[in-house]
Amino acid sequence: GAGVSQSPRYKVAKRGQDVALRCDPISGHVSLFWYQQALGQGPEFLTYFQNEAQLDKSGLPSDRFFAERPEGSVSTLKIQRTQQEDSAVYLCASSLVAGTGNTIYFGEGSWLTVV
Amino acid sequence: DAKTTQPTSMDCAEGRAANLPCNHSTISGNEYVYWYRQIHSQGPQYIIHGLKNNETNEMASLIITEDRKSSTLILPHATLRDTAVYYCIAGPQDAGNMLTFGGGTRLMVKP
Repeated sequence: GAGVSQSPRYKVAKRGQDVALRCDPISGHVSLFWYQQALGQGPEFLTYFQNEAQLDKSGLPSDRFFAERPEGSVSTLKIQRTQQEDSAVYLCASSLVAGTGNTIYFGEGSWLTVV
Repeated sequence: DAKTTQPTSMDCAEGRAANLPCNHSTISGNEYVYWYRQIHSQGPQYIIHGLKNNETNEMASLIITEDRKSSTLILPHATLRDTAVYYCIAGPQDAGNMLTFGGGTRLMVKP
């Protein structure tokens, strides 16, 4: 498709389990973002890539969260030893070129529930 | 990023104009005003953005006051499908376009 694609769409993980969330940005988009959205709240920034370089990871809540984009296209957000407070929607977004005021396009999110 | 203030919720009658206000009194000169909306169970969707001039596209109009301390998003003929949370964001053009979302306005369009 032409939009940002995320998988899995829904994930139920047992506490302590590791999860990996995948994002396929729009083809050719340089910038890629991960956001976390708790129920009833607005999205909160996690991390940002420009091509394969992770330029900002200030929003990652703990060292259990890790993101990569090794070839500058697909990105994976990994959460180790999941905890109940990690339950949220994880949104991926991409934009064409950083620094131009261009719009950011979001995927539909990966809904993570930790039980 | 400048902090924005929006009403928590608003109602609008179907077919009428929906006017969503946003205060951003601490906005700096290089910060844009962005509007996104999020329909239930979907990712946020870009609506419009502007710096200081009023803007219009196929979805909405954006009116920015001359002092840039507030703005209004106008949906000229609201439909039931416009029911969503609307986010007003003031952010820099650079810094990777990273946007800081607040709580937004929950717009309910009623028949």
